[in-house]
Amino acid sequence: DTEVTQTPKHLVMGMTNKKSLKCEQHMGHRAMYWYKQKAKKPPELMFVYSYEKLSINESVPSRFSPECPNSSLLNLHLHALQPEDSALYLCASSQDLGRPITQYFGPGTRLTVL
Amino acid sequence: EDQVTQSPEALRLQEGESSSLNCSYTVSGLRGLFWYRQDPGKGPEFLFTLYSAGEEKEKERLKATLTKKESFLHITAPKPEDSATYLCAVQAGGSGTYKYIFGTGTRLKVLA
Repeated sequence: DTEVTQTPKHLVMGMTNKKSLKCEQHMGHRAMYWYKQKAKKPPELMFVYSYEKLSINESVPSRFSPECPNSSLLNLHLHALQPEDSALYLCASSQDLGRPITQYFGPGTRLTVL
Repeated sequence: EDQVTQSPEALRLQEGESSSLNCSYTVSGLRGLFWYRQDPGKGPEFLFTLYSAGEEKEKERLKATLTKKESFLHITAPKPEDSATYLCAVQAGGSGTYKYIFGTGTRLKVLA
């Protein structure tokens, strides 16, 4: 099973709201990722967790707060977002970071910030 | 500077008209090259991993090849359902570093 699930599929929020995106995988992968993707652009890396520890933060604004409660789950907490943060948010996982990394992506959450 | 470039940006084919997509890369320490297919509004779907020059992989109508400077994704006798954006990504760098660079993709449209 090479499935990564993400909830919700769609999210509309105001600039003062607090919401969370969730990601789950049951492939025993120890690395998990958050990406942001704008229309007709490639995915942009935001965060990487390796063995439940934050390994990479690509200078993402603090209004995005990642959390990895366990090896299967990854959350992205959102607060005080801006309209330009509207995008497709993708979660991915891979076996680990120490070898050629085949990443498996979830279906994404379409976020709209009003 | 590490760079991954895909061409063409967009491609329209008639059903059955074979063609190739290109992914050129300039990186230090290639560890792997990956092809993904992405449908609109969905996450990328993994297709192939290539590790070293000369390697080839096939899946249905798709065949991926790798040289020291580029990779090709050959599509033989495409069907309308092959319409999607095809992304390549390159992993580079030594042990302990993480560098994963996506190309900008090729948007493929196959007409019936």
